[in-house]
Amino acid sequence: EPEVTQTPSHQVTQMGQEVILRCVPISNHLYFYWYRQILGQKVEFLVSFYNNEISEKSEIFDDQFSVERPDGSNFTLKIRSTKLEDSAMYFCASRPTGASSGNTIYFGEGSWLTVV
Amino acid sequence: SQQGEEDPQALSIQEGENATMNCSYKTSINNLQWYRQNSGRGLVHLILIRSNEREKHSGRLRVTLDTSKKSSSLLITASRAADTASYFCATPHSGGGADGLTFGKGTHLIIQP
Repeated sequence: EPEVTQTPSHQVTQMGQEVILRCVPISNHLYFYWYRQILGQKVEFLVSFYNNEISEKSEIFDDQFSVERPDGSNFTLKIRSTKLEDSAMYFCASRPTGASSGNTIYFGEGSWLTVV
Repeated sequence: SQQGEEDPQALSIQEGENATMNCSYKTSINNLQWYRQNSGRGLVHLILIRSNEREKHSGRLRVTLDTSKKSSSLLITASRAADTASYFCATPHSGGGADGLTFGKGTHLIIQP
């Protein structure tokens, strides 16, 4: 079964460093998302992306964050200058187009980011 | 305001029993979804129920939706140890095509053998 894949699975970075988290969405999907989950807390929406542009973003997604679809398969989340509070599990997700799918969103296994 | 709040926050039952989790939301929705998350893993989509549906079944899962009360319930029948996980309800942000989802805080379900 097709799945969303994410790399790395775990990354430790120094505060202030830039981090890029990578995702390969399911191949025929057109809507892409990043979510994060701080340890023990709920899953929080960061950003949605469609047709090569941001469709919606939350207040968490400030100027430190950016997303890019550099080629036909990858979808990346960049954190420009990491802070301790950016430590979290980051989930990539994608959704197929078409009304029949409703809003079913398929998630990757996550990238665990630890900022020290 | 919080959208998609589940209760109870934690539930521990014996294997074979039924588990019921509830979700309340505040704004109008066109669908509601339930997801499962095993510890440290990604979210797995379980079931989607549309606003014009009152009940939906998938295997051992039964979901109800009461739009007048803005609430949904997830029932897992004949629970198994492998059902131990956190369960989240999620509602779309808006009626647009690229809807993100707002998740609740989840119910942590423990199935005791």
